[in-house]
Amino acid sequence: DAKTTQPTSMDCAEGRAANLPCNHSTISGNEYVYWYRQIHSQGPQYIIHGLKNNETNEMASLIITEDRKSSTLILPHATLRDTAVYYCIVRVAGGGGFKTIFGAGTRLFVKA
Amino acid sequence: DAGVTQSPTHLIKTRGQQVTLRCSPKSGHDTVSWYQQALGQGPQFIFQYYEEEERQRGNFPDRFSGHQFPNYSSELNVNALLLGDSALYLCASQGGVGNQPQHFGDGTRLSIL
Repeated sequence: DAKTTQPTSMDCAEGRAANLPCNHSTISGNEYVYWYRQIHSQGPQYIIHGLKNNETNEMASLIITEDRKSSTLILPHATLRDTAVYYCIVRVAGGGGFKTIFGAGTRLFVKA
Repeated sequence: DAGVTQSPTHLIKTRGQQVTLRCSPKSGHDTVSWYQQALGQGPQFIFQYYEEEERQRGNFPDRFSGHQFPNYSSELNVNALLLGDSALYLCASQGGVGNQPQHFGDGTRLSIL
């Protein structure tokens, strides 16, 4: 089973910020939070990841709560091309390899 | 700089046949993972290869097997195909097995008749 829970779908107006929540209440201290998105018929695209500090890159910002039990992906100015399924994943790094368990994700609809 | 490439893009097989899917990782990446994605669902982890060995495996039967070559490319083999094996098969690569993100290819769409 996935270690994260996300809303099934969300709407956002074009040009506004899209805030996508993710709960990971059983996250371990050495597990990172990763966000991917998938546009129909393409492979998942990496967006951002973090351990405990907030992170920002050219695509998005990641806000992780202090207790690390939840996080929010922020797309600051959503465009129609941001319509996709967004996956939040937690994963531990280690020499023995790792499994990445995807949930069903959040389907984001950006509307004009 | 080429990303993760998979071949073929589409494939049609019949029940009972065998199939081999191929993946070339992104330049500089040495770890390859395979996923199965049924329509409308998230990707399901099949297995991961690092240093030419299977390091982790998901809940898939032995009909699913793989291989990693010295150049880090990888193959996914599925024997005795079932109708339920129809799916998008995704390959992801990364450098090592640490916290760096995986990068995905666009997959192979396998249809079983």
